[in-house]
Amino acid sequence: DTEVTQTPKHLVMGMTNKKSLKCEQHMGHRAMYWYKQKAKKPPELMFVYSYEKLSINESVPSRFSPECPNSSLLNLHLHALQPEDSALYLCASSPPANEQFFGPGTRLTVL
Amino acid sequence: GEDVEQSLFLSVREGDSSVINCTYTDSSSTYLYWYKQEPGAGLQLLTYIFSNMDMKQDQRLTVLLNKKDKHLSLRIADTQTGDSAIYFCAEEGDSSYKLIFGSGTRLLVRP
Repeated sequence: DTEVTQTPKHLVMGMTNKKSLKCEQHMGHRAMYWYKQKAKKPPELMFVYSYEKLSINESVPSRFSPECPNSSLLNLHLHALQPEDSALYLCASSPPANEQFFGPGTRLTVL
Repeated sequence: GEDVEQSLFLSVREGDSSVINCTYTDSSSTYLYWYKQEPGAGLQLLTYIFSNMDMKQDQRLTVLLNKKDKHLSLRIADTQTGDSAIYFCAEEGDSSYKLIFGSGTRLLVRP
């Protein structure tokens, strides 16, 4: 298995909802990442987990809460989001560091 | 500071070669990367080059690195309509887990 999978593909939520994004990889990679990408912009790093521990948090608001239950799974819990949080959320993994392999993304719309 | 710059748009005819250029600022980057993003999709790692190399070829792709000028280019030979996408170059940031992306070059291949 040489890919990163993300669910759901699309998500529409209200500002009072709680939802979660999921990411999975079975390449034995030990680092996993969450990125946010707005239209016509490059991805922006949000969080990095290395060996299942949070190693980088790029000053992301607390309404985004990452979780790494095991070395293959990465979740992003969402609560009380704002319309400006609407974006494509990308998950990536890497061996530990260096080349990152991206999933297809979750298109999030906050109403 | 770290900054990666790319031209925004390139249009070529099918069958021609495409050259996408990138300049970066951090001379300590160990690896430099090229990613491709098709509409509505995640990022696909196309190729990367180690900083002590000046050229890398992989089928239709040729990467050239000029460390003195901090200039990276991606040449696509025999460009096809399926190559139409946004191409991002990226350098390593202050951590091997961080990628600094350029703004992306939109490649349009005309039939």
